[in-house]
Amino acid sequence: SQKIEQNSEALNIQEGKTATLTCNYTNYSPAYLQWYRQDPGRGPVFLLLIRENEKEKRKERLKVTFDTTLKQSLFHITASQPADSATYLCARTQRSGYSTLTFGKGTMLLVSP
Amino acid sequence: EAGVTQSPTHLIKTRGQQVTLRCSPISGHTSVYWYQQALGLGLQFLLWYDEGEERNRGNFPPRFSGRQFPNYSSELNVNALELEDSALYLCASSSQTGNNQPQHFGDGTRLSIL
Repeated sequence: SQKIEQNSEALNIQEGKTATLTCNYTNYSPAYLQWYRQDPGRGPVFLLLIRENEKEKRKERLKVTFDTTLKQSLFHITASQPADSATYLCARTQRSGYSTLTFGKGTMLLVSP
Repeated sequence: EAGVTQSPTHLIKTRGQQVTLRCSPISGHTSVYWYQQALGLGLQFLLWYDEGEERNRGNFPPRFSGRQFPNYSSELNVNALELEDSALYLCASSSQTGNNQPQHFGDGTRLSIL
């Protein structure tokens, strides 16, 4: 079965540093990987999407990479701020064309002042 | 633009009861997805509806069912509630089908089973 694995341990960093979160997948490469942010008691919010044939995607302070050899995506937040503290979810799509997503359990990021 | 809205926000039920959760997608979105987020398990895909039809179903028993109405709103029904059904139920919508579409989530219904 297709799986998405994210580091279950919380990531603690200081304000201003770059946060790097890891997402590993099994079996075949998904056509797309998506990253979401989830705050406590709220629904996930879409951040970025990267295609299988894209190496890197950027949006403001966010950067996502997709390495099909390592079967891994990295999510970077540069110049991190306490407001970036949240749980970040990685999700893979299916090749079959179905719109459904398989989510990882998420990694909690804590940015301290 | 109004986001995805879900009702109720919280619900308490007892074992064996039935529950109906509701979701209104973003205006113009035709696809609706339901997910269960139980503690420690992450988001688990439940159901996907598009244009009034069930398009895909996750690995959940038949007592989880739903439907989508002509105005694209959706209901999730859970029969014979069990303790392990306690979770946050999230609804999402997207403007098109296809695996390159981001999903827009509501803030969920918190269901507690006593």
